[in-house]
Amino acid sequence: EVVMTQSPASLSVSPGGRATLSCRAGQSVGTNLAWYQQKPGQAPRLLIYDASTRATGMPARFRGSGSGTEFTLTISSLHSEDSAVYYCQQYDHWLSFGQGTKLEIK
Amino acid sequence: EVQLVESGGGLVQPGGSLRLSCAASGFSFTNYSMNWVRQAPGKGLEWISYTTSWSKTIYYADSVKGHFIISRDNARNSLYLQMNSLRAEDTAVYFCVRDHGDPQGPHFDYWGQGTLVNVSS
Repeated sequence: EVVMTQSPASLSVSPGGRATLSCRAGQSVGTNLAWYQQKPGQAPRLLIYDASTRATGMPARFRGSGSGTEFTLTISSLHSEDSAVYYCQQYDHWLSFGQGTKLEIK
Repeated sequence: EVQLVESGGGLVQPGGSLRLSCAASGFSFTNYSMNWVRQAPGKGLEWISYTTSWSKTIYYADSVKGHFIISRDNARNSLYLQMNSLRAEDTAVYFCVRDHGDPQGPHFDYWGQGTLVNVSS
């Protein structure tokens, strides 16, 4: 199994600011990486796939980048509703999830 | 609108069995592989099982292999998870999840709201 490591475990950012979330793969996964957003009490939602392609309906302020073993999710112009846990998931070697980054907007 | 609605969760004693169902609508069910993903209380996401559109290929996570069975009824647009020999560590919210269909590998574009399975005496 490819181990996915996300950092930081949590972060707090002011409204209107920018958040940078990292995801590191234990071995190269190419660009076969997805990001999900999970708000409290809700199911996860697909944000990004193929490392940088936004899912249907996702606003442009969510941007994914990276390849190989290093990936970044950047969220700009933060709103309070962006408070959530964000998970990365690789699908190059079957699949595995990161442990999540909790983002708080305050 | 794509909808995935799980049912069948509840409280069950250790060693017991439970069958989860997922009713799919708003898309051509036979065109998609489907999955079950679970989330223990306060924990992250764990993929547990996958089936292709006509059940030709089925995979399980090691944690459930041999005691969970995934199946689907395409005529009823439904996905199932038969859970046997349940253990406390199987306590989780179970999500029915549609595969995006990317030939590179499985990732998940639609999720149900989840159904809670609580294994406790």
